Amino acid sequence: AAGVIQSPRHLIKEKRETATLKCYPIPRHDTVYWYQQGPGQDPQFLISFYEKMQSDKGSIPDRFSAQQFSDYHSELNMSSLELGDSALYFCASSVSPGLAGGRGADTQYFGPGTRLTVL
Amino acid sequence: AQSVTQLGSHVSVSEGALVLLRCNYSSSVPPYLFWYVQYPNQGLQLLLKYTSAATLVKGINGFEAEFKKSETSFHLTKPSAHMSDAAEYFCAVSENSGGSNYKLTFGKGTLLTVNP
Repeated sequence: AAGVIQSPRHLIKEKRETATLKCYPIPRHDTVYWYQQGPGQDPQFLISFYEKMQSDKGSIPDRFSAQQFSDYHSELNMSSLELGDSALYFCASSVSPGLAGGRGADTQYFGPGTRLTVL
Repeated sequence: AQSVTQLGSHVSVSEGALVLLRCNYSSSVPPYLFWYVQYPNQGLQLLLKYTSAATLVKGINGFEAEFKKSETSFHLTKPSAHMSDAAEYFCAVSENSGGSNYKLTFGKGTLLTVNP
């Protein structure tokens, strides 16, 4: 079965540079979530999109922005990178309650993650 | 806001022994609860989920979890540990923050070590 695709898998950047992470959800999934997992930490919710509109925002710095495109893929843009941005960034996709028959909280399927290292 | 607490950041068992990973949740509404497993340098894989259909939930790889409302718990168990079960396990609760959004809030994780 098709899974969530993330690219690149690894990214090394210098401080103050910019980075763009891409996420391709499972076909027919209309909701995308982004999470950040620091070393030895649990994943933290950053932002989510439903039908190409931002639906919720978590602990995401103002230096970060994201969007979901017409083909449902999503991109997380990170500017003025800091050492503390080094982390594993996960994208997850799911089916909204409407498409899931009103069940609510359908399963989020995670991609393999992008490991960002800021030097 | 909803939250989960995982008791024990590290659990060590012998191969063939019972695995018990503890998770307690805090929620003002009936929760949706999940267990995910993360192998080193990999993504999060769903083990099982509770969505109020049945209190005993069976997942992949022989794992199961029981939802106990009176104890606000959702502990993960496996009767007999295998070496391949060594990984980090995360309990998570899904929180509806409006509309169709159901973000996950994770516990701090429990690292399971299986000794031969």
